[in-house]
Amino acid sequence: GDSVTQMEGPVTLSEEAFLTINCTYTATGYPSLFWYVQYPGEGLQLLLKATKADDKGSNKGFEATYRKETTSFHLEKGSVQVSDSAVYFCALNDMRFGAGTRLTVKP
Amino acid sequence: GAVVSQHPSRVICKSGTSVKIECRSLDFQATTMFWYRQFPKQSLMLMATSNEGSKATYEQGVEKDKFLINHASLTLSTLTVTSAHPEDSSFYICSGGQGAKDTQYFGPGTRLTVL
Repeated sequence: GDSVTQMEGPVTLSEEAFLTINCTYTATGYPSLFWYVQYPGEGLQLLLKATKADDKGSNKGFEATYRKETTSFHLEKGSVQVSDSAVYFCALNDMRFGAGTRLTVKP
Repeated sequence: GAVVSQHPSRVICKSGTSVKIECRSLDFQATTMFWYRQFPKQSLMLMATSNEGSKATYEQGVEKDKFLINHASLTLSTLTVTSAHPEDSSFYICSGGQGAKDTQYFGPGTRLTVL
């Protein structure tokens, strides 16, 4: 069945460091791919998405490219901020979620 | 953005009782809603998919008679945990969207504690 494998972390970075969170998937057909973020004490919210191969989703400085050949949707940000500290979830459109990656950014 | 509310945010109940959790889409119509459990420091586990006006589709291993889902309108879905036991204690989250492939908007979650 469909599944998502995500780098679990936790990940601790200094402010302005480069971030990569790996996500690969197994699915039949051509799923849409999502990154959701859960800030402390809040519900999940959409960070970005891509609906077809080679699409790049971007938001708040985060980017992820839908790579069908490697079945991946890695999340990247060039310079993280303390306010980016949260848990990040990769997901398929059938609501299969990765394990979540807790990111802590230190000043 | 679209808002989904959940009520209650926290509930404590005795073993053997039933608890109802409401999920409402406040400013949009959710033709599909999803229910999840989230264990501490773990990911969301999809429990079931509910479509307005039809029966919910449960994931493998989820007891449909224990976790009753009703999606009677385009803005309200309810999850009833029947005959709750301590192992049902968890964080329950709902989400709603325009369809299964659409962006999902998540509720803030309900913390259930069964004594």
